[in-house]
Amino acid sequence: AQSVAQPEDQVNVAEGNPLTVKCTYSVSGNPYLFWYVQYPNRGLQFLLKYITGDNLVKGSYGFEAEFNKSQTSFHLKKSSALVSDSALYFCAVCFEGNTGKLIFGQGTTLQVKP
Amino acid sequence: DGGITQSPKYLFRKEGQNVTLSCEQNLNHDAMYWYRQDPGQGLRLIYYSQIVNDFQKGDIAEGYSVSREKKESFPLTVTSAQKNPTAFYLCASSSWTSGTGELFFGEGSRLTVL
Repeated sequence: AQSVAQPEDQVNVAEGNPLTVKCTYSVSGNPYLFWYVQYPNRGLQFLLKYITGDNLVKGSYGFEAEFNKSQTSFHLKKSSALVSDSALYFCAVCFEGNTGKLIFGQGTTLQVKP
Repeated sequence: DGGITQSPKYLFRKEGQNVTLSCEQNLNHDAMYWYRQDPGQGLRLIYYSQIVNDFQKGDIAEGYSVSREKKESFPLTVTSAQKNPTAFYLCASSSWTSGTGELFFGEGSRLTVL
């Protein structure tokens, strides 16, 4: 069965430090991978996606993610965290072309402390 | 500005009542989706529609109904058959023809059953 896992409910980092939010997936065939961010009581905002090509994908607000096929991972990273990055982050995956069946992880709360 | 508009933002319902959540988009997207969000469970797909007058059940369609009479509109009715309707509901859309799965989300509707 296709699935996506975010192993950490919460990640805490100090402002200015690098951050990583982890995501692993299980899907047959070639995955399409996404990261979204959600601020309290708001909708989700698209950050970045991997469809094909370069394994390192750059997105909005200085975030990037690396697709690792052998480890079936798509971890979200940023070199220097900001307090304003504090939010709920979702990883999502679908089988190529089947965008009507996007599967979301349970979300990871990122807390950046001054 | 182009986007997705959900209304109402907050809704209270007595047990046994049906309620309808509105979702309108002016992005000229073919596909529209309804997700339910509960704390710690990520997003779960309720219904989706790839074309006018056609829609498919998602993973948790029981107790919900939808219609797609216009490309711009995809209302969701939460019926009295839905046993635990208190949740945050998110509408999204995507350009089906692009096939890359990037979803655009509305700001959400929070339903509380009294």
